[in-house]
Amino acid sequence: GQQVKQSSPSLTVQEGGISILNCDYENDMFDYFAWYKKYPDNSPTLLISVRSNVDKREDGRLTVFLNKSGKHFSLHITASQPEDTAVYLCAAGMNQGGSAKLIFGEGTKLTVSS
Amino acid sequence: EAAVTQSPRSKVAVTGGKVTLSCHQTNNHDYMYWYRQDTGHGLRLIHYSYVADSTEKGDIPDGYKASRPSQENFSLILELASLSQTAVYFCASSGLSAETLYFGSGTRLTVL
Repeated sequence: GQQVKQSSPSLTVQEGGISILNCDYENDMFDYFAWYKKYPDNSPTLLISVRSNVDKREDGRLTVFLNKSGKHFSLHITASQPEDTAVYLCAAGMNQGGSAKLIFGEGTKLTVSS
Repeated sequence: EAAVTQSPRSKVAVTGGKVTLSCHQTNNHDYMYWYRQDTGHGLRLIHYSYVADSTEKGDIPDGYKASRPSQENFSLILELASLSQTAVYFCASSGLSAETLYFGSGTRLTVL
């Protein structure tokens, strides 16, 4: 089954509003959580990430919230801009036995309308 | 800056044919990955490798083989291409913790 899930395939937000993107995961051994941004016909790039020993990380307009008991993390984008329009992929991973891999969700297409 | 290059950028293959996708990184990273992108599925991990001459199965390895002849190079091989393997394929590399993946530009594969 899908280990990392994004339940909303799409989201539309007005310019200046707050975009909230959600991600759920199954494996409680995951200890690293990240959000990647992907424009059409481009490769994904890392936006922001957080380790399991913190429950929040801010970077400019971006904030990641981690709820380990609920196996859930989210990305909040404040003052959303049209250039934030993209597909956002959440990812979770762990290091186990010298092997590390990142599992991605299905992606949420964010549209910021002006 | 990290550099991961994939070749070819796009390819059309016939059903039952052999396809090899190549990936080269100059980041001196230990880890390399192959993902495929399909609408509604995000990125799914096919194979990965953390050392030369060794590969690991990801979440959807069936129908694919991988080869890591050196730290810099990682290939994805489709011995008998099928229609269902039409997708965009991304290669990525990362350091030991896999905390930041650096992706190539992707290869668009169409199997007819």
